[in-house]
Amino acid sequence: GAVVSQHPSWVICKSGTSVKIECRSLDFQATTMFWYRQFPKQSLMLMATSNEGSKATYEQGVEKDKFLINHASLTLSTLTVTSAHPEDSSFYICSASPGAEEQYFGPGTRLTVT
Amino acid sequence: GENVEQHPSTLSVQEGDSAVIKCTYSDSASNYFPWYKQELGKRPQLIIDIRSNVGEKKDQRIAVTLNKTAKHFSLHITETQPEDSAVYFCAASRSNDYKLSFGAGTTVTVRA
Repeated sequence: GAVVSQHPSWVICKSGTSVKIECRSLDFQATTMFWYRQFPKQSLMLMATSNEGSKATYEQGVEKDKFLINHASLTLSTLTVTSAHPEDSSFYICSASPGAEEQYFGPGTRLTVT
Repeated sequence: GENVEQHPSTLSVQEGDSAVIKCTYSDSASNYFPWYKQELGKRPQLIIDIRSNVGEKKDQRIAVTLNKTAKHFSLHITETQPEDSAVYFCAASRSNDYKLSFGAGTTVTVRA
């Protein structure tokens, strides 16, 4: 149980384009989903928290207009990186929570912006 | 916000020996402390967690201790095996928002 998927697993895009990443909880309803970014050999940094049906809450320093988050249902959240630039290249990981402390992580999406 | 510090950043142990990783946190309201193991390019996997109403928890070769007064918690791995080699992260969260604050990570290498 508690399986979270992400799609795509990796993506290469050109500078200036937008990329959408999907996060799905496959066997439970996620009242809250979290989005993290992880640069090589670094820790996970929380970008934003999203609750189904409401606006996402962004961490300090994260541009909400650049990283658009939509949590349209209890099993799906999407992160759109708009006007991507090489410095946005990173490993993006989502997690989903059924409502308690536990977070179940997706497999991550490797974004490379050329 | 919460600040979690983790030490050491790298740890090399002989197979069969024990490994200990220590973390401190700053927010006294934090009450949930998970530990994750992450292999290169993979998702973090929860290996053990502890809540603030418990001082110690053990699961086979893995144990975690929590000292609320000192605001630190530790991961203990006994009888290490080569497959224990990975990056380990500690984290802390509060029950009001469940946001996880991660430590910087410890790269553990188990020498055969």
